[in-house]
Amino acid sequence: ELKVEQNPLFLSMQEGKNYTIYCNYSTTSDRLYWYRQDPGKSLESLFVLLSNGAVKQEGRLMASLDTKARLSTLHITAAVHDLSATYFCAVDYNTDKLIFGTGTRLQVFP
Amino acid sequence: DGGITQSPKYLFRKEGQNVTLSCEQNLNHDAMYWYRQDPGQGLRLIYYSQIVNDFQKGDIAEGYSVSREKKESFPLTVTSAQKNPTAFYLCASGTDSNYGYTFGSGTRLTVV
Repeated sequence: ELKVEQNPLFLSMQEGKNYTIYCNYSTTSDRLYWYRQDPGKSLESLFVLLSNGAVKQEGRLMASLDTKARLSTLHITAAVHDLSATYFCAVDYNTDKLIFGTGTRLQVFP
Repeated sequence: DGGITQSPKYLFRKEGQNVTLSCEQNLNHDAMYWYRQDPGQGLRLIYYSQIVNDFQKGDIAEGYSVSREKKESFPLTVTSAQKNPTAFYLCASGTDSNYGYTFGSGTRLTVV
C-alpha cells in the first residue's frame, strides 16, 4: 500500500527566507501533485508533475520530482506572508486514486 | 463555468441519524472521489468511482455508502454506523491524471 510522508509537518519561517518541503512516497509512481489549502477552505491545485525530473515553477514556488528516489520537493523562495497555508503533496496510485501526504503547515512571519 | 459543487456547506447530524452529502460536477469527468479531513490532518480516501454504476472502497469506507447513478453525481451517505463522523468532507473529480483533480468547496459535518 502506498504511503506518502511529508516533512516538516510545521514550518515557521521569516519573510524573505528560503526553505524546502519534502514529500517521500513508498511505491513506484510517476505522477505527483501539490496542493495548497487555506484554513477552512478547499484544496487549490499548484503543480502537476508527470515524469522523472519534472520541474515546475510558479512565482515563489518551485516543485520537482525524482521518481527514482520517490521524492518530490516544494521550494519556497523569498517567502512572503501570503504563502502562509497548508501544503499537501499527493501521489497517483495505480492511476486510479490519489493518496495524500500529511501536509505541511507553513507560517510566514515578518 | 465548469466546476464541482458540494452541498450543504455545513451539516449537523444527530446521533443515530443517516445524512447525505451532495457532490455534483459539470466538468464531464469520469472519476469522482470522497475524502475526509480531520482537524490538522491530511486527507483520507473514503470511496471513489471511475465510471457510472461502479465504485470502490478507499481506506476508511466503514460507516459510509455511495452511489454513482449519473456521471455528474456522487453522493455520500454517512450512516449511523460511522461513530465519529465529525469532519470536513471533500469531493473531487478528474478525467485524466495528467491534469490532476478538481476539488469542491467541502462540507463540514458536525454531530450534535
